[in-house]
Amino acid sequence: AQSVTQLGSHVSVSEGALVLLRCNYSSSVPPYLFWYVQYPNQGLQLLLKYTTGATLVKGINGFEAEFKKSETSFHLTKPSAHMSDAAEYFCAVSDDGGSQGNLIFGKGTKLSVKP
Amino acid sequence: DARVTQTPRHKVTEMGQEVTMRCQPILGHNTVFWYRQTMMQGLELLAYFRNRAPLDDSGMPKDRFSAEMPDATLATLKIQPSEPRDSAVYFCASGPLHGSGGGEQFFGPGTRLTVL
Repeated sequence: AQSVTQLGSHVSVSEGALVLLRCNYSSSVPPYLFWYVQYPNQGLQLLLKYTTGATLVKGINGFEAEFKKSETSFHLTKPSAHMSDAAEYFCAVSDDGGSQGNLIFGKGTKLSVKP
Repeated sequence: DARVTQTPRHKVTEMGQEVTMRCQPILGHNTVFWYRQTMMQGLELLAYFRNRAPLDDSGMPKDRFSAEMPDATLATLKIQPSEPRDSAVYFCASGPLHGSGGGEQFFGPGTRLTVL
């Protein structure tokens, strides 16, 4: 069965600092991986996804993530944090290689950005 | 700009009352999901449909919750009778034809339910 672990329920960085949000997954099939962002009082919005091909994936708002099969990781990074990045971030893995459409979500990481 | 819509956005009701939440998936999407989000439990999958047929509702309390898709443009989640512990934000999400997008889901803005 597929699962996702997000290390750190809360992460705090200073404005301009590197953002690193960690995600490890377990999957019995080649994984399709996603990062979603949730701003206060809003639904989840897709940041980026990895399906096949290039392992470094670029998303919206300057975020990127690298799929590392050997480490079963899909960490999210952004070189320089902005105040507007404060939100909750969810990592997810497709339940069965993307064919059924069900995603397994991690518990989320709340990112705070200090001025 | 295609998006998932949910109504109502906010609902306050008293314990024991029936609550119905509605979702309009993105036109052409054939999978629909209902989630519940609380501070304590985080994001929980309640049920999901493909081509209007329920595939999995194991996350849903069967005695009081029901989910249906009367047609391809409407999904409903009903709670009867409601209880204070049902207070949460309920999200609907839809996804394109399976096999395309890798399982990406598009979320609605949610219905914030408060049961007094």
